[in-house]
Amino acid sequence: GAVVSQHPSRVICKSGTSVKIECRSLDFQATTMFWYRQFPKKSLMLMATSNEGSKATYEQGVEKDKFLINHASLTLSTLTVTSAHPEDSSFYICSASVGTEAFFGQGTRLTVV
Amino acid sequence: AQKITQTQPGMFVQEKEAVTLDCTYDTSDPSYGLFWYKQPSSGEMIFLIYQGSYDQQNATEGRYSLNFQKARKSANLVISASQLGDSAMYFCAMREWASGNTPLVFGKGTRLSVIA
Repeated sequence: GAVVSQHPSRVICKSGTSVKIECRSLDFQATTMFWYRQFPKKSLMLMATSNEGSKATYEQGVEKDKFLINHASLTLSTLTVTSAHPEDSSFYICSASVGTEAFFGQGTRLTVV
Repeated sequence: AQKITQTQPGMFVQEKEAVTLDCTYDTSDPSYGLFWYKQPSSGEMIFLIYQGSYDQQNATEGRYSLNFQKARKSANLVISASQLGDSAMYFCAMREWASGNTPLVFGKGTRLSVIA
């Protein structure tokens, strides 16, 4: 099956710094990627839809200036958490689809201290 | 409105027994897909099974089967011959096809614990 690679898998950063998370489709082109956030023991909540070559579409309540999404190529989407604070600590996971199938990255566990 | 409902926050099953995880959904789109994922403590999302809204037969993948009852809008996952490694979170999800490349919408999940 198709592979989506997400990096890093874990990151600890200081409050006020920015963190970039990469999501790559390794063996297919993804014009659209999705970014989810998951709090402990909770479900995956869609944050935004990343479209290659255009602006991302953010879900209601998600701050676009806090969570910057760039989808500059057909195989790479990045999520940058800017000026991170402890409340941004969470599990972030990306997804891309091929036909009816959806493939997920391994996820990134972000801890802001 | 919540589109995917999983009413069982946690379930226990004896090893080698079968277990059913419930999922109901809500959509007005006649064309949609239903998915089940397993999420172990590592966080990765492991695809288990898929059912299309127009599929006539219930989907099966090894020990996993999906009990699809379209009129009742339910898509329950049945795991047969449970194994200790089946202990994990299980998420039901749906995609609606009418709007093109749409995201998966997830239920709240069910934590399955398999007891030896």
